[in-house]
Amino acid sequence: AQTVTQSQPEMSVQEAETVTLSCTYDTSESDYYLFWYKQPPSRQMILVIRQEAYKQQNATENRFSVNFQKAAKSFSLKISDSQLGDAAMYFCAYRSALAGANSKLTFGKGITLSVRP
Amino acid sequence: DGGITQSPKYLFRKEGQNVTLSCEQNLNHDAMYWYRQDPGQGLRLIYYSQIVNDFQKGDIAEGYSVSREKKESFPLTVTSAQKNPTAFYLCASSIRGDGGEKLFFGSGTQLSVL
Repeated sequence: AQTVTQSQPEMSVQEAETVTLSCTYDTSESDYYLFWYKQPPSRQMILVIRQEAYKQQNATENRFSVNFQKAAKSFSLKISDSQLGDAAMYFCAYRSALAGANSKLTFGKGITLSVRP
Repeated sequence: DGGITQSPKYLFRKEGQNVTLSCEQNLNHDAMYWYRQDPGQGLRLIYYSQIVNDFQKGDIAEGYSVSREKKESFPLTVTSAQKNPTAFYLCASSIRGDGGEKLFFGSGTQLSVL
């Protein structure tokens, strides 16, 4: 079974600075997808960024980018130029790409990010 | 506007009572999911459905039941067998239910025990 680990329960960053959120996962599969979801105080889950394991290039979405290290099974999220609106809980998630695999999206326990003005 | 609607926003359950959480989507998605969120636990999958009239158990299905009679609707019943039901429940949907596709989430239902 796949597991997703977010070992840091909380982090804090100064507004306009850069912060990196860590995520590791365990799988025996070679093809899969990785995601970062954001949950602000409204509790609405929002997709931040997505990475296909077969792609070597790290995904980027505006101020958000990932550092995907397949051999190390590491998938960290970097937030540049942090804004007050980035304060939220962030979840790392894994999904198998195997044909016929169930639809299960496995989430980590999340990390609470606070942004200091 | 297309999206997922969960109701009610807050729900209270008495001992021995079954309660049903509603989830409706107008995105024409085939796949729908129910997740439970507890503080410090992340999201855990309760049930999911990839097609009408079919659904599968997730990691923590005990004490819950679902139905998928219509494509748009995937209600979750929390039965009296669920001894610790207090949690935040999130419904989600996706186009097919596989691969790298995005999950669309509802705004959630907070269930508490009286």
